[in-house]
Formats: sequence, structure tokens, C-alpha cells
Amino acid sequence: NAGVTQTPKFQVLKTGQSMTLQCAQDMNHNSMYWYRQDPGMGLRLIYYSASEGTTDKGEVPNGYNVSRLNKREFSLRLESAAPSQTSVYFCASSGVMNTEAFFGQGTRLTVV
Amino acid sequence: GNSVTQMEGPVTLSEEAFLTINCTYTATGYPSLFWYVQYPGEGLQLLLKATKADDKGSNKGFEATYRKETTSFHLEKGSVQVSDSAVYFCALERGTYKYIFGTGTRLKVLA
Repeated sequence: NAGVTQTPKFQVLKTGQSMTLQCAQDMNHNSMYWYRQDPGMGLRLIYYSASEGTTDKGEVPNGYNVSRLNKREFSLRLESAAPSQTSVYFCASSGVMNTEAFFGQGTRLTVV
Repeated sequence: GNSVTQMEGPVTLSEEAFLTINCTYTATGYPSLFWYVQYPGEGLQLLLKATKADDKGSNKGFEATYRKETTSFHLEKGSVQVSDSAVYFCALERGTYKYIFGTGTRLKVLA
């Protein structure tokens, strides 16, 4: 009963370091998403993948790259981390249009 | 563009009080509407949803009705419990794979 699994749960990076956040879902969903959550700003979409093989920018894509590795996995990469990227990151997935999205437990990232 | 506006918190209530969290939306067409709940240190969980006008979503004593005439989807519960303390997010999806979230409303219920 895993649903959406994100790793790692916590990470501290130094400015300029790179890292990849991993996400996998076992619900056979076509669509996957990366959001960031900041105090007072709700969730903002970074990138999404409507289906395997496609990715598109969301509201706040600058400083990030994504890879839809296969139907199950969707990774988020920070090439050169900045303090402004300190946030909680959530991966989500959904099936057909107009249905709900399912979320992972989140990754709390701190960039110092 | 599409957007969701929900009442700012925090909302502090005594146990067994009536809860209303307001949510209004702007969207073209007919979006699906959702309420999500986030407990401390956890991801978002779907609380309820409605996919067309006049639908009522309900779960765990919470209810919300899709009102197209007022573009609203207010969350209500007749008697809150301490365990309902969490952050609540209103959201919409308009068939474009982009879920739009409100800023969240923190609810604190006191025993």
C-alpha cells in the first residue's frame, strides 16, 4: 500500500551543491508532479509530467530540472542549490483528468 | 487564469464548535474541486472532492458543496475534534494536469 514514495525525507545542502530528489508511484498513474511548499504560499507547481515521455514547466521551474524515467518514477534535480530553494518538496501523481492527486510524504530541504 | 482563494488562518476553535473554512475559485469551464488535509510532518491527503456543480463531497464529518453560481466550495464540519487540528487546502483541477492550490488554512482545536 505504498502509493507515492519520496526520498530522501530530509536533506541539508550547501549553496552550489547538487542533488536529485527521487519519487516513485505504484498506482499506474500517467501524470506526476513536483510541488514546493513555502509558508504563506501554499503549494506551487515546479514541473509536471502528463504522461511518460513528456515534461512541462509549472509555475516556478527556474533552478530545477526533471526526468520522467519511466511510468513509475519522476525525479527532480537541483543543479546548483541556492538558499531560496529551501522548502518542502512534494511529489504527487494522478490518474485520469479531474480526479484527485496523491501525494508523497515530502522532502524537507535546507540550503545553507 | 485559474486561482483559488481561501480564508487566512489560523482558525482556533473549541472542541465541538462548528467549522467553516471559506474557499472561492476562479476558473474557466467546469473544474473539479478538492479539499486536502495536511497533518504535521505529513503529505497532503484528500479529504473530499466534487466534480460538478451542486455536488456535495463528504468525509469524516466534513462537507463541501460545489456552488457554481458563487464559485465557492466552503468546507464545514458540525462538531470539530482536537484530532482535526491540521492545515486544510482547497484546490481545483481543470483537466489540464495542473492542480491549483489555495494558501492553506491552519486549524487548531482546543480541548
